[in-house]
Amino acid sequence: EVQLLESGGGFVQPGGSLIFSCAASGFTFSSYAMSWVRQAPGKGLEWVSVISGSGGSTYYSDSVKGRFTISRDNSKNTLYLQINSLRVEDTAVYYCAKGSSGTYVKNYFDYWGQGTLVTVSS
Amino acid sequence: DIQMTQSPSTLSASVGDTVTITCRASQSISSWLAWYQHKPGKAPKLLIYKASSLESGAPSRFSGSGSGTEFTLTISSLQPDDFATYYCQQYNNYSPYTFGQGTKLEI
Repeated sequence: EVQLLESGGGFVQPGGSLIFSCAASGFTFSSYAMSWVRQAPGKGLEWVSVISGSGGSTYYSDSVKGRFTISRDNSKNTLYLQINSLRVEDTAVYYCAKGSSGTYVKNYFDYWGQGTLVTVSS
Repeated sequence: DIQMTQSPSTLSASVGDTVTITCRASQSISSWLAWYQHKPGKAPKLLIYKASSLESGAPSRFSGSGSGTEFTLTISSLQPDDFATYYCQQYNNYSPYTFGQGTKLEI
């Protein structure tokens, strides 16, 4: 059974930093791209970033480029998202999602974690 | 960026009804479209991929159709468990992947 378990959310002041983790199990982690998707309060789903199965390719939405860094440790079956220079508008539930392919292209998301909440406020 | 527009934003229906949600892409995405169901506090669930392929484990009352720029999700014989928010997502273009704004299906 595929399981994705996020951790690392919390309350942070603007300008602060956080690292999220997503522990994966039930599939060959290194064979699949992984993404982070977020949902701000009362809003829809917004894709944030993708990393290929090997970790060699990463892409970001324009709203987070330069502030967020996605990475993975295939030996630990864990996905990460480092968030710097947090803004109030980054307040959201952050989901990790398993991609449907090993590369960063043509991915839909066939499994999702339960999400971790980040609240950015002064 | 490819913009995805869903309609309606809210849909009221009853158990046993058949409903249709439309998703339009701002440019052709061939059949690279997925549909998800999302309930508050839960992980989103994949229902349909490649516009019309039913994900394993998803009930057969869910069906998808369309190609190019116009797509539909149809739910036949609504069940109480189906009341949720539904999102379409294009995956023709990875930078960025984009979702529709969501359709809330309510009783």
